[in-house]
Amino acid sequence: GAVVSQHPSWVICKSGTSVKIECRSLDFQATTMFWYRQFPKQSLMLMATSNEGSKATYEQGVEKDKFLINHASLTLSTLTVTSAHPEDSSFYICSAEPWGSSYNEQFFGPGTRLTVL
Amino acid sequence: DAKTTQPNSMESNEEEPAHLPCNHSTISGTDYIHWYRQLPSQGPEYVIHGLTSNVNNRMASLAIAEDRKSSTLILHRATLRDAAVYYCILRDRSGSRLTFGEGTQLTVNP
Repeated sequence: GAVVSQHPSWVICKSGTSVKIECRSLDFQATTMFWYRQFPKQSLMLMATSNEGSKATYEQGVEKDKFLINHASLTLSTLTVTSAHPEDSSFYICSAEPWGSSYNEQFFGPGTRLTVL
Repeated sequence: DAKTTQPNSMESNEEEPAHLPCNHSTISGTDYIHWYRQLPSQGPEYVIHGLTSNVNNRMASLAIAEDRKSSTLILHRATLRDAAVYYCILRDRSGSRLTFGEGTQLTVNP
């Protein structure tokens, strides 16, 4: 089946620094990728839709200047958490759907656990 | 997005069927019913989806009510590895967003 990877799988950083998380579709191309955030004991919350070659679409309440999304190719999207603070500590998950697919399913990455000290 | 309602938690015994219900009374005619599951500390995993007819795959079966206002995910023989949070999601087309609710935490007893 289709595989989505994320890097890093976990990261610890100091408050005020920026962290970049990569999401790659390994064996398919995706014009659209999605970024989610999940706090402990809670469900996934969609943060933004990443569109290849164009600006991301952010969900209401998500600061686009804080969570920078770049979708430079059909297999790579990146999420940069700028000036991270402890409240940004969370589990970040991306997903992608094969372009032109009739599968009608999304493939999720394994997630990146961010801890901000 | 149309809303789904699921029980917070359910229990099943190992090697026995597990039936996970989902209510979606405001479903529209173009909404597909999707099920995903999430094991601890992992990203979600696709389980099954359907529109009107019951569906089977290697992981599970999906039984859809005739009026489409509810559905049931059936794990035919639950194993300990099936312990996860199961999410029932309505989606109107391929490529569109998935909106996750709270899901059902399935516990499988040995």
